[in-house]
Amino acid sequence: QVPLVQSGAEVKKPGASVTVSCKASEYIFTKFYIHWVRQGPGLGLEWLGVSNPSGGGTTYAEKFLGRITMTRDTSTSTVYMELGSLRFDDTAVYYCAKDFNSNFPSYGLDVWGQGTTVTVSS
Amino acid sequence: DIQMTQSPSSLSASVGDRVTITCRASQNIYSYLNWYQQKPGTAPKLVMYIASSIQNGVPSTFSGSGSGTDFTLTISSLQPEDFATYYCQQTYTTPPTFGGGTKVEIK
Repeated sequence: QVPLVQSGAEVKKPGASVTVSCKASEYIFTKFYIHWVRQGPGLGLEWLGVSNPSGGGTTYAEKFLGRITMTRDTSTSTVYMELGSLRFDDTAVYYCAKDFNSNFPSYGLDVWGQGTTVTVSS
Repeated sequence: DIQMTQSPSSLSASVGDRVTITCRASQNIYSYLNWYQQKPGTAPKLVMYIASSIQNGVPSTFSGSGSGTDFTLTISSLQPEDFATYYCQQTYTTPPTFGGGTKVEIK
């Protein structure tokens, strides 16, 4: 069983919203935080935020406050990341990733989804 | 936010070479420094956590060291499967931040 499975590629217009899903195993969903990280074309890694699927708490990067929302569906062990007011520079591969120890400070991200390509194009 | 600076940004090396990548944090992060390996078209893979703990399944040719603000990732004998881009990440404070990456290429 693949631990984290993400939804498929999306193409959106500027100003629209996109929702990316990340289906986790029940074990991961109930015990570990899930982070979201993105990577623009040819660029490095950028952290978007983290959610505690079992408890529902979230922390977002300040850069995205006001246009990012992370939610969860406990019935399907799925975490969602919605990014709104899309701009051209939101074009990136978006990854969900499991926290190693779900404690603070974290020991890093030890299991990653396959990535979801989001293209913002007019 | 804590800034993470990696050097070099790229390097060329041969199979069997010893390779060292450095990462510097803009403030003290104690040992909360992780390293990832990323190959083209794939997700990053955690290779080292809390500076010097090797992740399960990673060859013992990889080692990490450092604390405070200065860290290194060393590959003692470069193998063909090690050619990739490596990123450091601090997790001492929120937001966790990544270095800009070091691309290890074949000479």
